[in-house]
Amino acid sequence: KAGVTQTPRYLIKTRGQQVTLSCSPISGHRSVSWYQQTPGQGLQFLFEYFSETQRNKGNFPGRFSGRQFSNSRSEMNVSTLELGDSALYLCASSLVGQGKGEAFFGQGTRLTVV
Amino acid sequence: EDQVTQSPEALRLQEGESSSLNCSYTVSGLRGLFWYRQDPGKGPEFLFTLYSAGEEKEKERLKATLTKKESFLHITAPKPEDSATYLCAVCGGSNYKLTFGKGTLLTVNP
Repeated sequence: KAGVTQTPRYLIKTRGQQVTLSCSPISGHRSVSWYQQTPGQGLQFLFEYFSETQRNKGNFPGRFSGRQFSNSRSEMNVSTLELGDSALYLCASSLVGQGKGEAFFGQGTRLTVV
Repeated sequence: EDQVTQSPEALRLQEGESSSLNCSYTVSGLRGLFWYRQDPGKGPEFLFTLYSAGEEKEKERLKATLTKKESFLHITAPKPEDSATYLCAVCGGSNYKLTFGKGTLLTVNP
């Protein structure tokens, strides 16, 4: 069974630009959650989508947004990039939703903002 | 606000030397406590979910236990391949948000 696929694996962007990251969940999973991981703050929850609806949101500014398509694939967008947005962005897919059982993570997208 | 504190931040063991990792938490209405393992350059890999105090789960050399305030991940006779960062997360309240600790970096020397 194919795992969670995140693309691209690495990105370098300039401050002020915007970026879109993609996550393809495991087939049949309807929940996709996004996380930001940095050495200082650890893993922090961004948002969760379930059947194309945002079900949950963390404490991040509005520059961070996402969406989910009918095939459960999800995208995350960050506008007006700041140096502090440099991080590993992870997505996790699950059958019934975040915190309700096993979640499977992708390998992440390493974003560097210069 | 839910909080998770993991200790120690780093732990170095010799192969075969058993030890425990700690996860202390504060949560409003625990829905579940999760343990993950993360290898460098990879996403976290699910290990266990514990739902209520007194619950225990085992997998190979790992055993997770849960009380009302903390969870322990016991590692028995570890091997070098157990080296990784171990993450603890709690899910609480009605919104099912996951809050992660900062992890314990475990190194097992041969």
